[in-house]
Amino acid sequence: DAGVTQSPTHLIKTRGQHVTLRCSPISGHKSVSWYQQVLGQGPQFIFQYYEKEERGRGNFPDRFSARQFPNYSSELNVNALLLGDSALYLCASSPYGYSGTGELFFGEGSRLTVL
Amino acid sequence: GENVEQHPSTLSVQEGDSAVIKCTYSDSASNYFPWYKQELGKGPQLIIDIRSNVGEKKDQRIAVTLNKTAKHFSLHITETQPEDSAVYFCAASYSGGGADGLTFGKGTHLIIQP
Repeated sequence: DAGVTQSPTHLIKTRGQHVTLRCSPISGHKSVSWYQQVLGQGPQFIFQYYEKEERGRGNFPDRFSARQFPNYSSELNVNALLLGDSALYLCASSPYGYSGTGELFFGEGSRLTVL
Repeated sequence: GENVEQHPSTLSVQEGDSAVIKCTYSDSASNYFPWYKQELGKGPQLIIDIRSNVGEKKDQRIAVTLNKTAKHFSLHITETQPEDSAVYFCAASYSGGGADGLTFGKGTHLIIQP
């Protein structure tokens, strides 16, 4: 069975640009969460969606937005990129309504570099 | 919000010895404490978790202990092997419908010396 898939795996953007990251959850999982992992740090919660509804939002500016589609895949959008947005963006899927309930299955991430 | 502190940041042990990683959390409402292992170039993978109604849980060479009073939990790996080399993260959350996701520690780089 396929795990969580993310695209693109690597990308380079310049300050002020916009980026869209995509995630396909494990089949049967209705929840998708997004985490930002800065080099040398633990993942930091950005968003969680369940059944296309936002269930949680971390302490990130409004430049960050996300949505979930009817097939449970998800997009993370970041506008007006800053150098500090350079990080590994991880998507995690689960069958649970809240991401703090049980195991999260992470993808390998999208590494974003902002120049 | 929740804050999770993790120590040490780097841990080097001889193959076959035991390794212990410690975490503290700040929010007494947190009741779910997972541990994730992240290998180079991969996403984190759950290795064990514990809920606040249990003080200890074991799975083969891996065990986790929880002290709710002290807001402290630890990961114990016995008989370490080369494949245990990775970065380990502890995390905490409220599983009763909290909207804050998992709060992770900063990670421990475990190095197994042959």
